[in-house]
Amino acid sequence: DAGVTQTPRHEVAEKGQTIILKCEPVSGHNDLFWYRQTKIQGLELLSYFRSKSLMEDGGAFKDRFKAEMLNSSFSTLKIQPTEPKDSAVYLCASSPTTNTGQLYFGEGSKLTVL
Amino acid sequence: GDSVIQMQGQVTLSENDFLFINCTYSTTGYPTLFWYVQYSGEGPQLLLQVTTANNKGSSRGFEATYDKGTTSFHLQKTSVQEIDSAVYYCAMRDYSGSWQLIFGSGTQLTVMP
Repeated sequence: DAGVTQTPRHEVAEKGQTIILKCEPVSGHNDLFWYRQTKIQGLELLSYFRSKSLMEDGGAFKDRFKAEMLNSSFSTLKIQPTEPKDSAVYLCASSPTTNTGQLYFGEGSKLTVL
Repeated sequence: GDSVIQMQGQVTLSENDFLFINCTYSTTGYPTLFWYVQYSGEGPQLLLQVTTANNKGSSRGFEATYDKGTTSFHLQKTSVQEIDSAVYYCAMRDYSGSWQLIFGSGTQLTVMP
């Protein structure tokens, strides 16, 4: 079975640009998560979808971050406008059933904002 | 609120050394506790979960247990190998509260040959 697929793997953006990161969850998985990973803050939850419905949009990140789940097999994370502090690895994860805590992560999209 | 504290930011060992990583948790509910491992260039992957206090979870030579009395849980391995070098995250899922998986800050394990 294919795992979680994230594209692009690397993205370099100028400050103020709009970037869109993409994620394809494991087929048949019910839940989808977006996390931001930095050395200082570790793993921070950005968004959580359950059966395509947005359950959590990560309070502190509402401002310029918007996650969408267009169908059960595709999600996007838009950052608009980007700032240098957004430089991080963005991880997408899916889970087969709700609330198990068993997440399957993609390899991540590394974003650098200049 | 619920929290997970992982104090050991970096651990350096030699091959065949004993590994012990500890986390403490805080919750008013009934936690299920997890260990995730992240190898360089990859996303985290589930290593172990422990659903019942004082029971052991085990996988790939790693063992995990949690102690409800001290609200701590730990990961151990008797003899680490160079390929075990990775970042290890503890995490907690609280069934009485939100669905959210709360991660510790991670422990970078480096195993020297």
